[in-house]
Order: sequence, then C-alpha cells, then structure tokens
Amino acid sequence: AQKVTQAQTEISVVEKEDVTLDCVYETRDTTYYLFWYKQPPSGELVFLIRRNSFDEQNEISGRYSWNFQKSTSSFNFTITASQVVDSAVYFCALSEPNFGNEKLTFGTGTRLTIIP
Amino acid sequence: DAGITQSPRHKVTETGTPVTLRCHQTENHRYMYWYRQDPGHGLRLIHYSYGVKDTDKGEVSDGYSVSRSKTEDFLLTLESATSSQTSVYFCAISVGTISSGTNEKLFFGSGTQLSVL
Repeated sequence: AQKVTQAQTEISVVEKEDVTLDCVYETRDTTYYLFWYKQPPSGELVFLIRRNSFDEQNEISGRYSWNFQKSTSSFNFTITASQVVDSAVYFCALSEPNFGNEKLTFGTGTRLTIIP
Repeated sequence: DAGITQSPRHKVTETGTPVTLRCHQTENHRYMYWYRQDPGHGLRLIHYSYGVKDTDKGEVSDGYSVSRSKTEDFLLTLESATSSQTSVYFCAISVGTISSGTNEKLFFGSGTQLSVL
C-alpha cells in the first residue's frame, strides 16, 4: 500500500524567510509519480509539480524548489524568500501511474502561515 | 481549471436523505475522480471512472455510489447521508496521456461543501 507522510502539521515563518516542507513516501512500486499541490484559503487545489521516480534531478521554479531523494524516500519542497501569498495548505501526493489513470494518495497536508 | 464544474458548491441536508453531487467537464477527458477532504486526513479517493459506465472503488467508497452515463458528467450519490459524510468533496480529472507524451496532471474542481445535520 502507498503512504505519504507530512509530519509538519503547521509551520509559521516570518516573511522573507526560507521554509522547507517535508514529504516522506512509501511504495513498493518502482515506477511512481510524486506531486505537490497548494490549497490557498480560497479552497481550490493548485497543481505545483509532478516528478517521476526515474528523475532525481532537483527542480527550481522561481522561488520554489523541490528536492527528490529516492534513498530516503523524500520529496521536500522549499520556498525561498517567502511571501504572504504563500500562506496555504500544501499537500504532497503519490501515484502509481496506469496509462493515464492517476489515483493519488495524499499526505495530510502542512499548513504554512507567512507572518508579515 | 481544465473545464471542471462542480455543483452545488454548498449543500446542507439532513441525515437519511439522498444527495447527488455533480461533476461536469468540457474537454472529454477519460479519467474522472471523486475525493473527499477532511481535517487530519488530507484527500482520500472515493470512486473513480475510466470511461462511460466504467467505474471503480477508491479508498473510502462505503456509503457512496457513482455513475457516468456521459463522458462529461460524473455523479456522486450518497444514498442515505450520515453526519460522517460531512466533508468537502472534490472532483478531479486526469489530463494528458502517456501516448501523447504529455505529463499527466490531476486538475481539481472548486469543491462542494456538504453538511449533513
């Protein structure tokens, strides 16, 4: 069975600080995908990234970066120079792909609050 | 938003009544999903569909049924609502195919807040 653990329930940082959200996963599959989603206070779920299990290169997108380490089964998310607009709940998720069928297993989420 | 519409956005109902939530998409995607979101649980898969009249159970399917008579509509029914089904319900679609070489992404609707009193 697949499992995603986000041990940090809530994090608060002062604006402009860097913050890392942890994600640890469990799967017996050799091929899988990892995701991060953002849920701002308005409630919608915003796709941030999808990474496959064969690509361990770190990825950077503006102030966002992701560190994927298969050796520790982790897919951590770092926000650099945080802003108030980054305040949201962030979900990490795992899927076993099956020809386009993406059944995701989600973590319980980390609520990030950026203090002005 | 990948053309996903959920209705209603909010609903209050009483225990024991039937409730149907609708998910509508405009882009003919094959895979559709229903998730529920609860504090401390994240999002959990209820049911999913891989085509017209083709559905399967997810992690928390007890008390729910689904139907997909048309590609664009995926309905979630609570036959007899209970207070434990008070939740936010999200519909999602899988966008992209391996054969096309595009990355699959799961796009979500705006959610339905359901309260069962």
